[in-house]
Amino acid sequence: GENVEQHPSTLSVQEGDSAVIKCTYSDSASNYFPWYKQELGKRPQLIIDIRSNVGEKKDQRIAVTLNKTAKHFSLHITETQPEDSAVYFCAASIGALYNFNKFYFGSGTKLNVKP
Amino acid sequence: EPEVTQTPSHQVTQMGQEVILRCVPISNHLYFYWYRQILGQKVEFLVSFYNNEISEKSEIFDDQFSVERPDGSNFTLKIRSTKLEDSAMYFCASRGTSGRFNEQYFGPGTRLTVT
Repeated sequence: GENVEQHPSTLSVQEGDSAVIKCTYSDSASNYFPWYKQELGKRPQLIIDIRSNVGEKKDQRIAVTLNKTAKHFSLHITETQPEDSAVYFCAASIGALYNFNKFYFGSGTKLNVKP
Repeated sequence: EPEVTQTPSHQVTQMGQEVILRCVPISNHLYFYWYRQILGQKVEFLVSFYNNEISEKSEIFDDQFSVERPDGSNFTLKIRSTKLEDSAMYFCASRGTSGRFNEQYFGPGTRLTVT
């Protein structure tokens, strides 16, 4: 089955700096890659996702890149702010309208943005 | 914005007891999932549910586990005879079939502690 690896497990940056979190996956059939942010005591919330037919997607300070050949995808956060501090999870799935597309998650990255 | 809800937020039970974890998915969603996260480990898929039956389950989801949608709104996970290793955070998720159909919306989780 699919195996998703995520690095680093913890990341500490200064406010205003950029943060990059990387994930690799093993199943070339995976085609949907969401990123979830989980603040302490709260639910995981989708912050950005990418499908395998694109290489990059951006939403304000957040971007995700995907390299299908190398089977890796990355989350980039620019101009980090203290409220970006959270645990970030990547996931991979075989996404389609009428299948069950279970998610395979990475192990999470705890991002700490120091003011 | 509609949200997935879960009750209770924390459940403490003795080994060997039965527990039922409850979830209310988003009302027009059709696919439902349970995931669990043992402290310090990855979020792992347990089971997916569609059209009133299990569509897929992982090897974790053995005979001690069952799921049910008893009344068209609740979605429950039952563990018949809990073990110490069942201690984890259990997340429910749901997914629709239109628009952003790949996205799974997560509940806030139930922390299960088995003593």
